[in-house]
Amino acid sequence: NAGVMQNPRHLVRRRGQEARLRCSPMKGHSHVYWYRQLPEEGLKFMVYLQKENIIDESGMPKERFSAEFPKEGPSILRIQQVVRGDSAAYFCASSPQGAAGANVLTFGAGSRLTVL
Amino acid sequence: AQSVAQPEDQVNVAEGNPLTVKCTYSVSGNPYLFWYVQYPNRGLQFLLKYITGDNLVKGSYGFEAEFNKSQTSFHLKKPSALVSDSALYFCAVRAPESSASKIIFGSGTRLSIRP
Repeated sequence: NAGVMQNPRHLVRRRGQEARLRCSPMKGHSHVYWYRQLPEEGLKFMVYLQKENIIDESGMPKERFSAEFPKEGPSILRIQQVVRGDSAAYFCASSPQGAAGANVLTFGAGSRLTVL
Repeated sequence: AQSVAQPEDQVNVAEGNPLTVKCTYSVSGNPYLFWYVQYPNRGLQFLLKYITGDNLVKGSYGFEAEFNKSQTSFHLKKPSALVSDSALYFCAVRAPESSASKIIFGSGTRLSIRP
């Protein structure tokens, strides 16, 4: 069981470019969460998804950010027209279906985005 | 709205001494509470959780946490600290009424254990 896989681990973009971060949840997990961690800060919730469905996107900035979790393939966090303030570590976590409230999140190692 | 607070940015403890990392929460209803640890350049790792039952919860690496409903706290403790415990610790809360509720993390506490 490979765990939660995130790629790329490191991504460098220039201002105005697009960043795409991918997350493959643990086998058997159908819930995916994305969090952002700024340097020396805590984790900020961004979005919670199930297959083909966004459950809660209250933490997503209103513009430039989007997320999806298609029926097939990984979850994608997409940032359009990146700015320097988007530089952060983006963590994906997954949990299994059922008794979701009590389930422990399994985290990926994170994707570190640097915007030049 | 649910929230969680970790009032200390940093906790410094000598090796062998007991340690406490504080966490308070705000949520409607009975909460699900979690502690995670993060080592440098890594994702978070689960330490322990409180769902229901005994207020004292035991977890990985000798850590334990005490749920106190009246004080809305869930402090992390360890009787004897190790240098290898030095890391960033996060408390998290989830409201259990809805399986669709998100998990909210505190701002983190950096634990530093000196030899």
